[in-house]
Amino acid sequence: DAGVIQSPRHEVTEMGQEVTLRCKPISGHDYLFWYRQTMMRGLELLIYFNNNVPIDDSGMPEDRFSAKMPNASFSTLKIQPSEPRDSAVYFCASNPGLAGGTDTQYFGPGTRLTVL
Amino acid sequence: QKEVEQNSGPLSVPEGAIASLNCTYSDRGSQSFFWYRQYSGKSPELIMFIYSNGDKEDGRFTAQLNKASQYVSLLIRDSQPSDSATYLCAVTYLGGGGADGLTFGKGTHLIIQP
Repeated sequence: DAGVIQSPRHEVTEMGQEVTLRCKPISGHDYLFWYRQTMMRGLELLIYFNNNVPIDDSGMPEDRFSAKMPNASFSTLKIQPSEPRDSAVYFCASNPGLAGGTDTQYFGPGTRLTVL
Repeated sequence: QKEVEQNSGPLSVPEGAIASLNCTYSDRGSQSFFWYRQYSGKSPELIMFIYSNGDKEDGRFTAQLNKASQYVSLLIRDSQPSDSATYLCAVTYLGGGGADGLTFGKGTHLIIQP
C-alpha cells in the first residue's frame, strides 16, 4: 500500500492568498484526520471525517479554515485568506475504523506551509 | 479539556542503557494510549499502543499504563543512536475500533549518546 499521500509537500504563499492542501487516505480506511504541528502548540487535531462525513471540527481555528471530503479517497483543507500565523506542517492521517479493530492512525508525510 | 503533558527534554541517555519516557494525561475518560516516534522533518510513526493497565512489551519497547495515576510511560531497552528522535504521547477516548482524534503531548526529545 502506498500509505497516506499528501500534496503539495511544500507550499510557500503570500498573506491573503488561498491555500489548498490535499490528502489521499489509505484505501479502505474509514476515518481521515487533519492535524497541524507547530513548535509552540505541538500537534493539534483540526478536524476528522468518518465515511466522508465531518464528525468533529472543533479544532478548526477559525472560519478561514475549511475542509471537505467529497469521496472516500480524497480530502482537502483550505485556508482563505492565509495569514503568517498559519505557517505550520499540516498532516493528514487515516484509520481503518471498526473493520480494522484498532484506532491506530497512520500519518502522511505532511505539507510544510509557509505564509509570508 | 483534554491535556497530555510530557517533559520536553532533551533527555540524554548513553547507548545501551534504558531510556524512560513519561506522560501524564488529564481526562480520566481516555481509553487508548499511543507512543509515536518522530524524526526531525518526518511524520509521526506509531511505536506502540496500550489499552489496559500494566505493561505491554514489543521487542526493545515496553509501554506501561496506570489509569489510576493517569500515567503512561515508554521504556526503550538497549538504546541505539537510531532511537534519537522526539517521542510523542497521545491519548484518545475510544479503543479497539472506531476512532477519535488524538490528543498529543508536545513530545520528549531523546538523544542517545554513542
